[in-house]
Amino acid sequence: GESVGLHLPTLSVQEGDNSIINCAYSNSASDYFIWYKQESGKGPQFIIDIRSNMDKRQGQRVTVLLNKTVKHLSLQIAATQPGDSAVYFCAENAAGNQFYFGTGTSLTVIP
Amino acid sequence: EPEVTQTPSHQVTQMGQEVILRCVPISNHLYFYWYRQILGQKVEFLVSFYNNEISEKSEIFDDQFSVERPDGSNFTLKIRSTKLEDSAMYFCARGAAVPGELFFGEGSRLTVL
Repeated sequence: GESVGLHLPTLSVQEGDNSIINCAYSNSASDYFIWYKQESGKGPQFIIDIRSNMDKRQGQRVTVLLNKTVKHLSLQIAATQPGDSAVYFCAENAAGNQFYFGTGTSLTVIP
Repeated sequence: EPEVTQTPSHQVTQMGQEVILRCVPISNHLYFYWYRQILGQKVEFLVSFYNNEISEKSEIFDDQFSVERPDGSNFTLKIRSTKLEDSAMYFCARGAAVPGELFFGEGSRLTVL
């Protein structure tokens, strides 16, 4: 079945540095991906999405890169701020309306 | 602001009891979803609901679970006879007809004793 996994369960970065969070997926049929941010005690918050016909998409301070060849997704956060501290999940969709989530990476920003 | 509001924020119940979790969309949407997240684990898909019918469900969504939209507004998840392993955060989400942006509520924490 589908599976989504993250390479690093925890990541610590200095405030102002760039962060890169990685995600591997196994279902080559997945064609839509979303990155979510989850703060403690809250629901997942949509950050950015990308469809498989693209390999890069940029938002405000965030960039998602998709490498379909190796089934890899990354989230880059520029100039990381303390408010970026959270758990980040990638989620994939292959068909229908189900999304499969990874286990999450905990990002800690050191002031 | 969340796209949907969920109640209760936290419910404690005894094993075997029925629980109803509620989700109210901020605006009028047709696609709704329930996901759950056991503490420290992945967010897992339970069920999607479109136009007052279940459109997809996962293997987790067994006969103990049901969903409905009784008054055309509130979207509910019912667990008929709760088990200890049902303890989790339950998230309602609203989405679009084509798989796309999925917006979550703040969640309802269910604790089964």
